[in-house]
Amino acid sequence: AQTVTQSQPEMSVQEAETVTLSCTYDTSESDYYLFWYKQPPSRQMILVIRQEAYKQQNATENRFSVNFQKAAKSFSLKISDSQLGDAAMYFCAYRSSTGTASKLTFGTGTRLQVTL
Amino acid sequence: GAGVSQSPSNKVTEKGKDVELRCDPISGHTALYWYRQSLGQGLEFLIYFQGNSAPDKSGLPSDRFSAERTGGSVSTLTIQRTQQEDSAVYLCASSLQVKRGTEAFFGQGTRLTVV
Repeated sequence: AQTVTQSQPEMSVQEAETVTLSCTYDTSESDYYLFWYKQPPSRQMILVIRQEAYKQQNATENRFSVNFQKAAKSFSLKISDSQLGDAAMYFCAYRSSTGTASKLTFGTGTRLQVTL
Repeated sequence: GAGVSQSPSNKVTEKGKDVELRCDPISGHTALYWYRQSLGQGLEFLIYFQGNSAPDKSGLPSDRFSAERTGGSVSTLTIQRTQQEDSAVYLCASSLQVKRGTEAFFGQGTRLTVV
């Protein structure tokens, strides 16, 4: 079974600075998808960015980018020019691309605080 | 609807009572998921529907938990004889089951408190 590990329960960043959230995963599969979701206090999970494992190029969405290291099974999220609205829980997730297992497997999350 | 809708938003129930949680997915989304999020924890998978069938029920923690989906749309998660450890936020998500990279859209969840 796949597992996702987020080793940073909490992180803090000053407004306008850059922060990197870590995520590692364990799988025997070669093709899969990785996601970062944001959960603000409203509880609704919002997709931040996704990465297809067979694509070597790191995904980028505006101020958000990932560092995907397939061999190391690492998928970190970099937030540039941090804003107060970025404060939330961030979850890394894995989804198999084959078979009947369609579920997302989540890590335990990292709480990001943004300070002035 | 515009997004995934869950009701009720909050539910307080007495230990031993049955509860029903409702999820109304985005129109046209064939895949529907239920997750449980305990305080300070990640999301724990419960069950996955494709249309009205549930090919993956592996996350249901006990036979007190059941779920159904009718008309390929609304889903209900039922917890019988609730226990205090059932207290959590129950999140529902839906997606177009085109390919696995497709985004799953989440509702705002139901916070269940068993007293």
